[in-house]
Amino acid sequence: DSGVTQTPKHLITATGQRVTLRCSPRSGDLSVYWYQQSLDQGLQFLIQYYNGEERAKGNILERFSAQQFPDLHSELNLSSLELGDSALYFCASSEGSRGAYNEQFFGPGTRLTVL
Amino acid sequence: KNEVEQSPQNLTAQEGEFITINCSYSVGISALHWLQQHPGGGIVSLFMLSSGKKKHGRLIATINIQEKHSSLHITASHPRDSAVYICAVPSGAQGGSEKLVFGKGTKLTVNP
Repeated sequence: DSGVTQTPKHLITATGQRVTLRCSPRSGDLSVYWYQQSLDQGLQFLIQYYNGEERAKGNILERFSAQQFPDLHSELNLSSLELGDSALYFCASSEGSRGAYNEQFFGPGTRLTVL
Repeated sequence: KNEVEQSPQNLTAQEGEFITINCSYSVGISALHWLQQHPGGGIVSLFMLSSGKKKHGRLIATINIQEKHSSLHITASHPRDSAVYICAVPSGAQGGSEKLVFGKGTKLTVNP
């Protein structure tokens, strides 16, 4: 158990809908990272927050947005969903702000299926 | 942007065999991560290394910064080692981008 929690575990929804994925980092970790893992693309970095502020941005679509709250939990909002958004979404956390240079602890993931 | 290549894509071994998984990248870096993804989907960080060698139990990770190459070795492999092993590096040069880019993974199956 990494100490990172994600809800929900599974989400099935229809095209055009909006969903919210939730992540609670390990106690003491200030950084939260969001990743998307699809069958054809592998793991891809979406966005990082550090202590409430956006720190780094990857290949995140404009239809997707995220935020980190004062209690450090984070939410990833996906809107106008398309079939291609079906994927595993992972949240990870680390103590420091330098994503590539800190060990990251991964949550169990949310499996999103868009029908 | 850093490009990450892993080999082999798939690996089948018999219990007890010595396993080697390779990772090459295109841009000089100062940190490399090895991750393990279980059949159920969960991801565990195995190592983060910037030089030399690290060992944890039966797992050994090495990195050669000059050759832009890292290897993950598993000694005395066991069926519970069956998983996908993923290499990840910073997307830019040293001191630059701090986002991770990932290899496509090596799927390891260890048969009893």
